[in-house]
Amino acid sequence: AQSVTQLDSHVSVSEGTPVLLRCNYSSSYSPSLFWYVQHPNKGLQLLLKYTSAATLVKGINGFEAEFKKSETSFHLTKPSAHMSDAAEYFCVLGTSGTYKYIFGTGTRLKVLA
Amino acid sequence: DAGVIQSPRHEVTEMGQEVTLRCKPISGHNSLFWYRQTMMRGLELLIYFNNNVPIDDSGMPEDRFSAKMPNASFSTLKIQPSEPRDSAVYFCASSLVVGYTFGSGTRLTVV
Repeated sequence: AQSVTQLDSHVSVSEGTPVLLRCNYSSSYSPSLFWYVQHPNKGLQLLLKYTSAATLVKGINGFEAEFKKSETSFHLTKPSAHMSDAAEYFCVLGTSGTYKYIFGTGTRLKVLA
Repeated sequence: DAGVIQSPRHEVTEMGQEVTLRCKPISGHNSLFWYRQTMMRGLELLIYFNNNVPIDDSGMPEDRFSAKMPNASFSTLKIQPSEPRDSAVYFCASSLVVGYTFGSGTRLTVV
């Protein structure tokens, strides 16, 4: 069975400190993994994607994620949080050959001044 | 490219009225999805089209919901009659190979 788990529903960090948003997945097949960000009252924007190429994926706005098959993880990181990073982040699992993507429940990131 | 375009951005309607949500996918994308987002249930896939053909509508809540894609550049999601529990943000997304591009959504409020 395919599933994705976001380990934290809420994360708070101070501005200028590192961000870590955790995501674990379960898939019997080679996964595609994505991180999307949703700012309040906005649509979902693709931050980055992993599709079996390089395991360290760089995205927009300084975010990156590392695919670790042995740990079935795809955690999202950023070295230094900015106030504009406050949003909800979704980890998404796709499986080759299927259109159905599985969305995590989201992690709400709060950035403190 | 202007991205996925949805209209209207906001819709407030009375219970029992018909509501039509519209979506223009990215040119060249062959897959289109309608999602619904609520606080209680998160993101739910309602229906998936591939090359304008509905492939999976198992997520459509009930017969009050219908969706069409008459051509590659336009899709509608209709609710008739609408009910307060239909209040949500409805997203359209399109895709070519891997990954979705989402529209900005339509916030529907049924009073």
